[in-house]
Amino acid sequence: AQSVTQLDSQVPVFEEAPVELRCNYSSSVSVYLFWYVQYPNQGLQLLLKYLSGSTLVESINGFEAEFNKSQTSFHLRKPSVHISDTAEYFCAVSALETSGSRLTFGEGTQLTVNP
Amino acid sequence: SQTIHQWPATLVQPVGSPLSLECTVEGTSNPNLYWYRQAAGRGLQLLFYSVGIGQISSEVPQNLSASRPQDRQFILSSKKLLLSDSGFYLCAWGTGVTGELFFGEGSRLTVL
Repeated sequence: AQSVTQLDSQVPVFEEAPVELRCNYSSSVSVYLFWYVQYPNQGLQLLLKYLSGSTLVESINGFEAEFNKSQTSFHLRKPSVHISDTAEYFCAVSALETSGSRLTFGEGTQLTVNP
Repeated sequence: SQTIHQWPATLVQPVGSPLSLECTVEGTSNPNLYWYRQAAGRGLQLLFYSVGIGQISSEVPQNLSASRPQDRQFILSSKKLLLSDSGFYLCAWGTGVTGELFFGEGSRLTVL
């Protein structure tokens, strides 16, 4: 079975500052990795994903994450955040099993961007 | 394109009353379907998942049940609600290939 640890439950930053949301996973087999974002009272939206190929993946709104197999990490970064980036961010991992992949979520990181 | 809808969006119910939350997926066939719950300030808890009509797997023993009467319909129910059933309920679907899930808008349940 796989597990996900998001090392920070809350990350406060100022607008235009860089941010890193940390995610580590544990799995005995190859994995797929995801970051989801959740705005207040809404469902989760996929931000970016790593399935294969380049270990650096990017989203359309400036976030990026790098798959590091040796450190079993998939940290999310943005060089300059906006007020509108304030949300809950969930890291998730799935490992291919005979019955199909199952997604395991971390506990979430609340990113708060202050003016 | 595929869409997922769940309703109602908001529900306030007294303790001991029944519950029915519905979720419908369009634009795909034979999806895997999931019910998650978020308690206030907590992460996501997988409640039920289904890989086909009439096939339900429960992840956590509780006061809730799920049913899949049609290929793209997933229902979360309770006969008697408890205060602890309050939370934000999310329906999701996936193909089961990579684990990627697509979520509905959520249903906020408050039990008084």
